Amino acid sequence: SQQGEEDPQALSIQEGENATMNCSYKTSINNLQWYRQNSGRGLVHLILIRSNEREKHSGRLRVTLDTSKKSSSLLITASRAADTASYFCATEDSNYQLIWGAGTKLIIKP
Amino acid sequence: NAGVTQTPKFRVLKTGQSMTLLCAQDMNHEYMYWYRQDPGMGLRLIHYSVGEGTTAKGEVPDGYNVSRLKKQNFLLGLESAAPSQTSVYFCASSYPEGTGVFDTEAFFGQGTRLTVV
Repeated sequence: SQQGEEDPQALSIQEGENATMNCSYKTSINNLQWYRQNSGRGLVHLILIRSNEREKHSGRLRVTLDTSKKSSSLLITASRAADTASYFCATEDSNYQLIWGAGTKLIIKP
Repeated sequence: NAGVTQTPKFRVLKTGQSMTLLCAQDMNHEYMYWYRQDPGMGLRLIHYSVGEGTTAKGEVPDGYNVSRLKKQNFLLGLESAAPSQTSVYFCASSYPEGTGVFDTEAFFGQGTRLTVV
């Protein structure tokens, strides 16, 4: 069963706008990771946030983690056409296994 | 470094045929994984390995077998392919860093698109 659940399933915005995706999970975690997948390609790691961290930045990416609500959000600022992809969250559980959500499909319109 | 390499990239099998997917990594990673990804879904773990000579079942292991005879290679076998195994298969690897096994990112291959007819 999938622990992570992304919301929304699909998101379409104009280039330059900010995109926010959410991820919820069910059990305790070591960390939470976000990955991007371009169509037909493998997944690429974007950012990792540890369970004792609340916010992390990497370039135009901002990730927050609320362990009390078992949720995380990924914000992409000033979106570009090249950001069009599917975004997945994965939680690392106590057995060091990554458990994946179904992903958010992001479309950036020019 | 090539990272994680999967072969083949595409394959069409007839029902009942067998095949082996090969995953190779050159990053000296301890952990390796095989996932399948079906349309509109996330990744489901088939089998994984935490070191050379070890394998374990994941979420959807039925119909698949694996072997990790060498640290850099992780093989996924389908003994008797079924149409339900039509999917895109991804291999990934990761390595425990730091003082423990925390905070590892996974590196993925480009995928194998398998169709069983």
